[in-house]
Amino acid sequence: DQQVKQNSPSLSVQEGRISILNCDYTNSMFDYFLWYKKYPAEGPTFLISISSIKDKNEDGRFTVFLNKSAKHLSLHIVPSQPGDSAVYFCAASGFEANAGKSTFGDGTTLTVKP
Amino acid sequence: GAGVSQSPRYKVAKRGQDVALRCDPISGHVSLFWYQQALGQGPEFLTYFQNEAQLDKSGLPSDRFFAERPEGSVSTLKIQRTQQEDSAVYLCASSPGTVYGYTFGSGTRLTVV
Repeated sequence: DQQVKQNSPSLSVQEGRISILNCDYTNSMFDYFLWYKKYPAEGPTFLISISSIKDKNEDGRFTVFLNKSAKHLSLHIVPSQPGDSAVYFCAASGFEANAGKSTFGDGTTLTVKP
Repeated sequence: GAGVSQSPRYKVAKRGQDVALRCDPISGHVSLFWYQQALGQGPEFLTYFQNEAQLDKSGLPSDRFFAERPEGSVSTLKIQRTQQEDSAVYLCASSPGTVYGYTFGSGTRLTVV
């Protein structure tokens, strides 16, 4: 049973517009959430994270929102650029046992059209 | 080097062969992780080291999989008697601690024929 789900396998947006990638989780013990970006033939690259004590974290064009009651997080990219085209993975981890171990979703492929 | 280095990049093994995958983490990173990524899926946790101590190996699929990090830096993932279902990309990641984003290597793509 998948504990972290990214229900949209793909997303296509126009350059300059907002990209919104979504992620749902089921385990209430998760309290640290991360987004990674992956280009073909490379390992994932860490983008941004958020702890459960916050509901928003911003870093430049990237903002992550966390809704703990809904067990949902999202990544907003504004404005989207063609170089943002990649696979985006959502991941979750806990501070108790297994701290550091992350559970990943299956990814969403973002295509930003010029 | 500046990043996490994995070797080899590609490995083709005959079924039943033993393989060893190497990971050279970022210097000073105490945490080291191994993940397995099947095509079209997200990375799946295999095992975790803090320095030389293997703190969690709950994700290793069978006793054919073994990982070590004897001096707290370089790590090796060994797969004995490889099977076709072992075909995947094996990712190594390191981090300064347990609540930071990982730095991943580029992975080793293992194909068992």
